[in-house]
Amino acid sequence: ILNVEQSPQSLHVQEGDSTNFTCSFPSSNFYALHWYRWETAKSPEALFVMTLNGDEKKKGRISATLNTKEGYSYLYIKGSQPEDSATYLCAAMIYNQGGKLIFGQGTELSVKP
Amino acid sequence: KAGVTQTPRYLIKTRGQQVTLSCSPISGHRSVSWYQQTPGQGLQFLFEYFSETQRNKGNFPGRFSGRQFSNSRSEMNVSTLELGDSALYLCASSTTDRADIQYFGAGTRLSVL
Repeated sequence: ILNVEQSPQSLHVQEGDSTNFTCSFPSSNFYALHWYRWETAKSPEALFVMTLNGDEKKKGRISATLNTKEGYSYLYIKGSQPEDSATYLCAAMIYNQGGKLIFGQGTELSVKP
Repeated sequence: KAGVTQTPRYLIKTRGQQVTLSCSPISGHRSVSWYQQTPGQGLQFLFEYFSETQRNKGNFPGRFSGRQFSNSRSEMNVSTLELGDSALYLCASSTTDRADIQYFGAGTRLSVL
């Protein structure tokens, strides 16, 4: 059974704090790593898709890195804002199982003004 | 461009009944994946369809089935409903590239009484 682990499970920060989350995934037969942001009562929204070892992606104040050899990815949020409050999900895609995303349990971020 | 549309949004059924959920992908997307979200389990992959063929299947019993039509619309069927089938069912569509972003619908909330 392939497991994707995320830590921490939840995080409470003050507005302006920078945060980071970890996603661990099986490094063998790795194909792609996705990050999604899921706000309450909305659909999960894609942030990044990364495929290559050493990939770094950035979208505004949010960035992510990927290490496929050791099987982990970091998501960073610089200067957190209340609107960043959401659950952040990572999901791994394994070679030969394209289209199948194996999700972690998510990190629930709460940013207080 | 219209997003992924799932119908119905809410559904209440009783044990033993069967249910069909519908998903209309983004125009031009040929891959449709289905996921189940329950409180303790997170997002679990059900199956993926591409060009009317099931390309991947998760670890769910045979009561869960699906199909995809020539216009890429997909349906998911659950027969002989059990209380444990109560969940949020999400579908996601993507292009032909297996590593591409998946765009999620708003989901169908199924309650089994």
